[in-house]
Amino acid sequence: EDQVTQSPEALRLQEGESSSLNCSYTVSGLRGLFWYRQDPGKGPEFLFTLYSAGEEKEKERLKATLTKKESFLHITAPKPEDSATYLCAVAFSGGYNKLIFGAGTRLAVHP
Amino acid sequence: NAGVTQTPKFQVLKTGQSMTLQCAQDMNHNSMYWYRQDPGMGLRLIYYSASEGTTDKGEVPNGYNVSRLNKREFSLRLESAAPSQTSVYFCASSEQGSGNTIYFGEGSWLTVV
Repeated sequence: EDQVTQSPEALRLQEGESSSLNCSYTVSGLRGLFWYRQDPGKGPEFLFTLYSAGEEKEKERLKATLTKKESFLHITAPKPEDSATYLCAVAFSGGYNKLIFGAGTRLAVHP
Repeated sequence: NAGVTQTPKFQVLKTGQSMTLQCAQDMNHNSMYWYRQDPGMGLRLIYYSASEGTTDKGEVPNGYNVSRLNKREFSLRLESAAPSQTSVYFCASSEQGSGNTIYFGEGSWLTVV
């Protein structure tokens, strides 16, 4: 069964305390793995797309990496404004642009 | 940059009432989607339109209908609202084909009492 699992469910960090979020997946024919940020009361905001194992992308304090079975979102020296829910989604071959979403990781960064 | 625009932002319905959620995108995308988001669950696809003139069911289509009015607009209709349809609804769009980035609107909060 195609599945996307994110861990941890929630993460509390002190400002400046680096950490990683995990997204593991079991799908056949991966066409892309996406990371989104979602603030309360808002829609998911696109962060990164990764297409193949070994690929990495960076944006400010965030860095996303991809292996054949999982992706990590590394947060370096986080600030309180990085607090949000981070969603992972996987696209796989099968006709239309179908995404399977994980349930998300709620990140809280405290000063 | 408007991107994907949804209306209304908030709506309260009584059980059995009907309503339509409107969505428009200005990115010239071929594909459009309606998702719902419930606490503790990932976003789930209700319906999608791969291109203008086509619509198809997603994971959770029961109780909903859609209309792809033109390339820009994709509406979601609840014919007879039920409390189980209380949720946050997101419209989204992308280039056609798998693996393309999907861009989301700001959401519509629907409560059915």
